[in-house]
Amino acid sequence: EIVLTQSPGSLSLSPGERATLSCRASQSVNSIYLAWYQQRPDQAPRLLISATSSRATDIPDRFSGSGSGTDFTLTISRLEPEDFAVYYCQQYGPAGLTFGGGTKVEIK
Amino acid sequence: EVQLLESGGGLVQPGGSLRLSCAASGFTFSSYAMSWVRQAPGKGLEWVSAISGSGGSTYYADSVRGRFTISRDNSKNTLSLQMNSPRAEDTAVYYCAKFQAAVGSTLEPFDYWGQGTLVTVSS
Repeated sequence: EIVLTQSPGSLSLSPGERATLSCRASQSVNSIYLAWYQQRPDQAPRLLISATSSRATDIPDRFSGSGSGTDFTLTISRLEPEDFAVYYCQQYGPAGLTFGGGTKVEIK
Repeated sequence: EVQLLESGGGLVQPGGSLRLSCAASGFTFSSYAMSWVRQAPGKGLEWVSAISGSGGSTYYADSVRGRFTISRDNSKNTLSLQMNSPRAEDTAVYYCAKFQAAVGSTLEPFDYWGQGTLVTVSS
């Protein structure tokens, strides 16, 4: 099983600031099998990014993904009030589906 | 519009049984693999089980293999999860999720999620 470790566990930022979230895999992940999700309080997760860097439908371009091998990053260029939420990375390759533990982005 | 509506959650005793359902609409159900993902109170997401579009292939997390059974009825656009011998650690919100691509494969992200149904395992 591929273990995904997200850091930091929480991030305290102000609207307009840049957020950089990390996802590290216990073994190499093919970049086509790495996704990011956003979960707001009391809501279901929402797909943001698939295949490391492809934004899902209707996701604003302030969200971007990058990385390869074992290190992946989600960047939110300028935080909007609705972006304060928990973010999860996921790998969905042939070795099975796993999620990271999440990063909570909080308002400072 | 894609909609996924879970039902069947509630309180179940350890060692009992419970069946969750997910009613799907707005897409060609049989063309897509489907999955269950759970979230324990205050915790992160955990993948539980998946099934191919035809229903011919099923996949389970080690934590539920042998106790839970995933199935689908493509004539009724319904996904199910039979939970046998649940344990306290199975307490969670259970989400039904749709894989993104219409190839019936599980090598895809989840592009739609239901709102979830809460299962509480307690005596």
